[in-house]
Amino acid sequence: GAVVSQHPSRVICKSGTSVKIECRSLDFQATTMFWYRQFPKQSLMLMATSNEGSKATYEQGVEKDKFLINHASLTLSTLTVTSAHPEDSSFYICSATSYGPGNHYEQYFGPGTRLTVT
Amino acid sequence: KNEVEQSPQNLTAQEGEFITINCSYSVGISALHWLQQHPGGGIVSLFMLSSGKKKHGRLIATINIQEKHSSLHITASHPRDSAVYICAVSRGNTDKLIFGTGTRLQVFP
Repeated sequence: GAVVSQHPSRVICKSGTSVKIECRSLDFQATTMFWYRQFPKQSLMLMATSNEGSKATYEQGVEKDKFLINHASLTLSTLTVTSAHPEDSSFYICSATSYGPGNHYEQYFGPGTRLTVT
Repeated sequence: KNEVEQSPQNLTAQEGEFITINCSYSVGISALHWLQQHPGGGIVSLFMLSSGKKKHGRLIATINIQEKHSSLHITASHPRDSAVYICAVSRGNTDKLIFGTGTRLQVFP
């Protein structure tokens, strides 16, 4: 099946620094990529929807200046957490969708990135 | 009230038992997804359903569109099935998913 990778898998950074997380679709071109965050023992929360070559659409309550999303190509989207604070510590997951025959789509998830801000 | 509700929240079972996880939703959907999240955090898409029933190995997923309800069944459960199972729905012509809160399953040998 299709593979989505994320890099890094874990990152620890100091408060006030910025962190970039990459999401790549390895063997398919992704129509759309999504970014989620997940707090311990909670479900995924959609942060933003990203389409190649256009601005990301952010969900209500997500600061677009803090969580910068760049979707440079059909296989790469990046999430940059700017001026990170301890409350930004979370598990960040991306997913990518691919359309098949009959406009049937599949959504593939990356392995996630655990961010710890100290 | 959440748009997607799952039950139970937590489930323990002995190896070999038949397991059922339920999902109810209150919105119109184009598809329902069952996802599996292992302790390491990675998520695997198990099924995407818009009607009827699908089977993959020991996993069976069913959906009743009229009742807005889906079930995930695991036959002959195994400790490696221990994970969080998440139900999610997509609406209309958008790919965005609305997630349930997940069911934490532990299967003991």
